[in-house]
Amino acid sequence: EVQVVESGGGLVQPGGSLRLSCATSGFIFSDYWVYWVRQAPGEGLQWVATIKEDGSETYYVDSVRGRFTISRDDATKSVHLQMSSLTAEDTAVYYCTTRRAMSRLYFDYWGQGTLVTVSS
Amino acid sequence: DIQMTQSPSSLSASVGDRVTITCRASQDIRDNLSWFQQTPGKAPKRLISAASILASGVPSRFSGRGSGTQFTLTISSLQPEDFATYYCLHHNNYPLTFGGGTKVEIK
Repeated sequence: EVQVVESGGGLVQPGGSLRLSCATSGFIFSDYWVYWVRQAPGEGLQWVATIKEDGSETYYVDSVRGRFTISRDDATKSVHLQMSSLTAEDTAVYYCTTRRAMSRLYFDYWGQGTLVTVSS
Repeated sequence: DIQMTQSPSSLSASVGDRVTITCRASQDIRDNLSWFQQTPGKAPKRLISAASILASGVPSRFSGRGSGTQFTLTISSLQPEDFATYYCLHHNNYPLTFGGGTKVEIK
């Protein structure tokens, strides 16, 4: 059974940092690109970051580039999103999702999301 | 950056109705578009990839068409479990962008 589980969300003050994790099982992790997608309260979906299956390429939306870093650990089949200099605009549910390398089937597996609240 | 304009932003429909949602891309994205369904408090669920490929397990009442800049998602006969918010996503290049969403409500 495929499982994607996000963790690490919580309340953080403006300017603070937080590290999200995405733990996976049930599929060949090293064959998959991994993405973070977020959703602010009452708003739509926004792609945030991507890491290639071998970790050699990463991509970020402009609003987080330089503040967020995506990384992966094949030994633990997990992906992390290190977030710093957080602002209220980063408040959202953060989802981890996947795509098999070379596949056009985007975002097949999803986690349940983890809520990040940036507030003083 | 490619902008995705989704319409309508909301609609009211009855069970059994045929519903069509449109996404327009600001540039040619070929068929690099997916559709997702989201119900409140849940993660999105993929419905369609590559503009028209139905995801495994998705009922055949859902269909997708289009290429270039104009795309549609059609539900041929709306069912109670289809009342949700639908999003398109372009994955032609980075940054990936979602449409603004279409909330399908019960009339």
